[in-house]
Amino acid sequence: AQTVTQSQPEMSVQEAETVTLSCTYDTSENNYYLFWYKQPPSRQMILVIRQEAYKQQNATENRFSVNFQKAAKSFSLKISDSQLGDTAMYFCAFMKAGAGSYQLTFGKGTKLSVIP
Amino acid sequence: ETGVTQTPRHLVMGMTNKKSLKCEQHLGHNAMYWYKQSAKKPLELMFVYSLEERVENNSVPSRFSPECPNSSHLFLHLHTLQPEDSALYLCASSLSLGFMGTEAFFGQGTRLTVV
Repeated sequence: AQTVTQSQPEMSVQEAETVTLSCTYDTSENNYYLFWYKQPPSRQMILVIRQEAYKQQNATENRFSVNFQKAAKSFSLKISDSQLGDTAMYFCAFMKAGAGSYQLTFGKGTKLSVIP
Repeated sequence: ETGVTQTPRHLVMGMTNKKSLKCEQHLGHNAMYWYKQSAKKPLELMFVYSLEERVENNSVPSRFSPECPNSSHLFLHLHTLQPEDSALYLCASSLSLGFMGTEAFFGQGTRLTVV
């Protein structure tokens, strides 16, 4: 079974600054996907970024980037130039690769507050 | 907006009531999911449907009964719930089951309170 751990229940960052959210996971699988989802107060979970485990290059989406360390089973999210709209719960998630695989395993989340 | 719509947004029900949650997507997705989100706990996958057939039932109590009449609609029928069932219930859909780690699109959830 897979587990996902987010060790920071809450974090805060000043607007325009950079913040890094931590995520570690445990799996015996070699092929898998990792995701960061954002859940703002509207409650809708929105995909922020995803990483394929077979890719060495870290994924980047505008102000969001990840630091994927496969050997260490670490998958942190860096948010640059933080904006007030980034205030939300952030969830790290794991999915095994393979036909028919669908189980997303989530961490407990990190509540991020962006301070003006 | 992700294209997945859930109704109602909020629901308060007594333990003897029967109610249903509805989820709708017109994204052309073939897989739909129900998740339960409780405070201080990770999201729990409850049910999975692929092409209207149930694929997964994660040991969910029978007081929760899913229904998928077509690939665009998913229901969660509730009866004789317990106060510990109070949570945010999220619906999600994806193009297909786990295809290339395909993105799951979530609805805004139904906040359920059992009194």
